[in-house]
Amino acid sequence: EDKVVQSPLSLVVHEGDTVTLNCSYEVTNFRSLLWYKQEKKAPTFLFMLTSSGIEKKSGRLSSILDKKELSSILNITATQTGDSAIYLCAAQGAQKLVFGQGTRLTINP
Amino acid sequence: DAGVIQSPRHEVTEMGQEVTLRCKPISGHNSLFWYRQTMMRGLELLIYFNNNVPIDDSGMPEDRFSAKMPNASFSTLKIQPSEPRDSAVYFCASTPEASFYNEQFFGPGTRLTVL
Repeated sequence: EDKVVQSPLSLVVHEGDTVTLNCSYEVTNFRSLLWYKQEKKAPTFLFMLTSSGIEKKSGRLSSILDKKELSSILNITATQTGDSAIYLCAAQGAQKLVFGQGTRLTINP
Repeated sequence: DAGVIQSPRHEVTEMGQEVTLRCKPISGHNSLFWYRQTMMRGLELLIYFNNNVPIDDSGMPEDRFSAKMPNASFSTLKIQPSEPRDSAVYFCASTPEASFYNEQFFGPGTRLTVL
């Protein structure tokens, strides 16, 4: 059965800290891995990763895929209170997108 | 440019009643997805359509759930009869056909409460 597991499930840090969120996947015919940020409303897209070892960056956020280890990490540097959200990882398999349970990140001022 | 539109935004109903959730995908997008999100189970894919045709409904929990996409600009998710365990936020998302494996654009969701 396809599955995606994220860790930690919950993380509380202070503003300015750097955080690393983890995602591991087992999906049939893996094609890509996506990261989403969900605040109070719907998920919004952050990154899509298809190639192993190539880092994608957007401001203070970056992500990389390791196909050998079937995993991905999302890094956030110099965290701000606005980064508080649930971060969802999803793996694209054979015509199906499987989501992890999410990591709830709380940034305290 | 309008995003994915869902209605209603909130629905409160009593057990046994029929519930219909509606979605209008982004114009030009050919793939549409229905998700359910709960605290316990997280985000689950229920069904998705490609060019108005259901491709995979293996995530639909049971026969009480049905989804239709009569045209490229409209889809419904119906629950009949509804049960308290159906309470969740239901999201609709769309993506251009050529970008199935890329970004999905989510609607604001419908928060369903079944009493």
